[in-house]
Order: sequence, then C-alpha cells, then structure tokens
Amino acid sequence: GQQLNQSPQSMFIQEGEDVSMNCTSSSIFNTWLWYKQDPGEGPVLLIALYKAGELTSNGRLTAQFGITRKDSFLNISASIPSDVGIYFCAGQLNYQLIWGAGTKLIIKP
Amino acid sequence: DADVTQTPRNRITKTGKRIMLECSQTKGHDRMYWYRQDPGLGLRLIYYSFDVKDINKGEISDGYSVSRQAQAKFSLSLESAIPNQTALYFCATSDLPSPHEQYFGPGTRLTVT
Repeated sequence: GQQLNQSPQSMFIQEGEDVSMNCTSSSIFNTWLWYKQDPGEGPVLLIALYKAGELTSNGRLTAQFGITRKDSFLNISASIPSDVGIYFCAGQLNYQLIWGAGTKLIIKP
Repeated sequence: DADVTQTPRNRITKTGKRIMLECSQTKGHDRMYWYRQDPGLGLRLIYYSFDVKDINKGEISDGYSVSRQAQAKFSLSLESAIPNQTALYFCATSDLPSPHEQYFGPGTRLTVT
C-alpha cells in the first residue's frame, strides 16, 4: 500500500534545543497533518496544512507543506519536557489518511 | 467528559473468541474510523463510515467487521480472534468542512493469547 517515510525514527534532545522531523512520500497529497501521541492516549492533531508551500505555526511548533506536495516537515523550537511523545505525520489520499511510522521524541535528563 | 470514548480500554482474550470493541462520540460528527496501531508501523485503517448507512473497508479489513448503530456509535468486531490481531485499536471521528482533521479516542489495548 501507500507509504510515508518519516524520519528520524527517534530523537534524544536536550531541553531547550530545537527539533526537526520530516515526512516524504512517492505520492502527491492534498493535505498534510501532524499529530502527537502521549503514552496511553490517542493521537492529538497539532497542525493541518492544505496548500503547497503553506507554512503554519502553533505556538512553538511550525510545519510546512512541501512545494512538490510530496513532503512536509515539523519544527519544534526550544523543546520542553512535555514535548516528549510520538509525533506522526499523515497525508490525505482520496478519502483516507496515510500515516507515517512516527518520530519518538525523548528528552535527555 | 471525553468527546470520543472507547470500551473496553484493555482486553485479553483467547484465540478463536469473538470480541467487540465499542466507540461512542459526542462531537456530532458524521465520519468515524477504526485504526490499529502496531509498534513501528504507525496507524493503519481498518474500516471507515461516512454516515450510518455507509461502511467502507480500509487497508486491513480482513478478519474484522464493523457496525454503525447510530451517528454516535461505531463498533469493531473480531469474529474469531487470532494472536496477530494483538494491537492497540483506535476509533476516530471527523466531519465537514475539515474531514481530514480526525479526533481520536484513548484506544483499546487488545491481547489475543
């Protein structure tokens, strides 16, 4: 089936550092979404992107819809402990969302 | 109260048993979805429904069935559970004008022994 390549798979970061993760696909998507999943909970929508080239922020989070419509990235600035969790990208293809495998964010003690 | 609820939250069952997972929502959304999550694989769509008369298979529907009893209720059944159906199952909802912005329940952790 369709696949999204999400990288990195996991990240160890120091509190206060900036974080960057991305997703790429061989397919063109009309919508990109970024979700965060905390342990024991379902994913929560962070940012939705609807136009190629669109750059959208939500607090310390910034995401962009790639010009080719085949990629997207998410940046987190000045990371804090509550940023830990798994971040998923998802691309809309027809009536379905195709999901990346997730980026696990871990804060170094 | 949560907008999307799932019951049970955890379930252990034996191979060959029938099991039903239930999802209820108070968001008033027409669209509902069932996903399974396996480590390292992200979320995969099992079934989706755009209204009470509409049921569609997703990427991995084999071995599963669903019932949309009402706008607010969407249940997932495993007719004869097998160990490789051990996973985390999520229900989600969405609606127009942003049909791809999905809202998830807390998940059901299912173990088939």
